[in-house]
Amino acid sequence: AQTVTQSQPEMSVQEAETVTLSCTYDTSENNYYLFWYKQPPSRQMILVIRQEAYKQQNATENRFSVNFQKAAKSFSLKISDSQLGDTAMYFCAFIENGYALNFGKGTSLLVTP
Amino acid sequence: EAQVTQNPRYLITVTGKKLTVTCSQNMNHEYMSWYRQDPGLGLRQIYYSMNVEVTDKGDVPEGYKVSRKEKRNFPLILESPSPNQTSLYFCASSFYQRGRNIQYFGAGTRLSVL
Repeated sequence: AQTVTQSQPEMSVQEAETVTLSCTYDTSENNYYLFWYKQPPSRQMILVIRQEAYKQQNATENRFSVNFQKAAKSFSLKISDSQLGDTAMYFCAFIENGYALNFGKGTSLLVTP
Repeated sequence: EAQVTQNPRYLITVTGKKLTVTCSQNMNHEYMSWYRQDPGLGLRQIYYSMNVEVTDKGDVPEGYKVSRKEKRNFPLILESPSPNQTSLYFCASSFYQRGRNIQYFGAGTRLSVL
């Protein structure tokens, strides 16, 4: 069963604008870890941001930030001041038990000039 | 430089011809894993290893084997490849501590089985 849902298969945003990618997940655990990975055309998997579920403060990494809503099991990624190099597939993932990453199906983001 | 190295990056083979994709990490990570990525399906775990000589099945292990004889290496073996194993494969590694479980990925191996 799919436990990570990314409801937006494709999105586009203009350069310098802000875009939010959605992610919901399902778990019965109280402590877990959430991730956003970026996969550019080179196919490399690059960690964008990480959130620990027991931390209430939303993680930020430069232009990337998350909106973590634990009760709603929601973990959206906001990209501010979008750049052409942000064009990529973005995967939401989490680890509940063990160390296996459960991935969503991805959102393809296109940044246009 | 800390990295996960996969070889080969691209491979075209024929049905039934045994092949091995190598994976090596230089970060002294205990945990290593193999994923396959298929369009519309995201990444799915094939096998994982929590340490030397400790391996276990992931979500899609059929048709694959692995071994972990050394901490740094975790090869993926396809004894008799079939066309449905055409995919993009990733090796990943991390520390085996919950607070240090960021997984680092190799560059990927694109496999085509004809």
